[in-house]
Amino acid sequence: EAGVAQSPRYKIIEKRQSVAFWCNPISGHATLYWYQQILGQGPKLLIQFQNNGVVDDSQLPKDRFSAERLKGVDSTLKIQPAKLEDSAVYLCASSLAGGKETQYFGPGTRLLVL
Amino acid sequence: GENVEQHPSTLSVQEGDSAVIKCTYSDSASNYFPWYKQELGKGPQLIIDIRSNVGEKKDQRIAVTLNKTAKHFSLHITETQPEDSAVYFCAATRLTGNQFYFGTGTSLTVIP
Repeated sequence: EAGVAQSPRYKIIEKRQSVAFWCNPISGHATLYWYQQILGQGPKLLIQFQNNGVVDDSQLPKDRFSAERLKGVDSTLKIQPAKLEDSAVYLCASSLAGGKETQYFGPGTRLLVL
Repeated sequence: GENVEQHPSTLSVQEGDSAVIKCTYSDSASNYFPWYKQELGKGPQLIIDIRSNVGEKKDQRIAVTLNKTAKHFSLHITETQPEDSAVYFCAATRLTGNQFYFGTGTSLTVIP
């Protein structure tokens, strides 16, 4: 079974630029999560989708971050404009049905904002 | 909201010894506690979890204990092997909620 795919794996941008990350969850998984993991910290949930609807985006900085999952499969996370403090690993995870089903994480995208 | 503290931040053990990582949580309504292993360059992987209706759970060399009264839970790895070297995260959440609150991680090194 293929795992969660993410791209790119690494990205370096300058502050105030825009960046987008892509995630392809495990086939058949209805729930998709985006996490931000700052160096030395645990992952923090940014947004959770159930199919193509948003379940929880309470910790998403909506003035600069946006995410979509148009067809209930792939998802993109965008930052516009980026700030230095956005430097982190952005993890995508998926689960079969949400709730406390096991979450399967992708390898993450490491973002460095200069 | 929930606050999860994890100790120690780094841990080195000799191969074959045991390793123990401890977490405390603040929200008495939290009732689901997973543990994740994160290897370099990879995403976290669930290794074991426990719900608040049990005090201990084992899976081969890994065990988790939960003390609801004291609001702490621990990961125990016995007979450690070099491949156990990784960063381990604890988390706490409510079964009815969406937010997983993660600890700050423990970097475990198993010395051959």
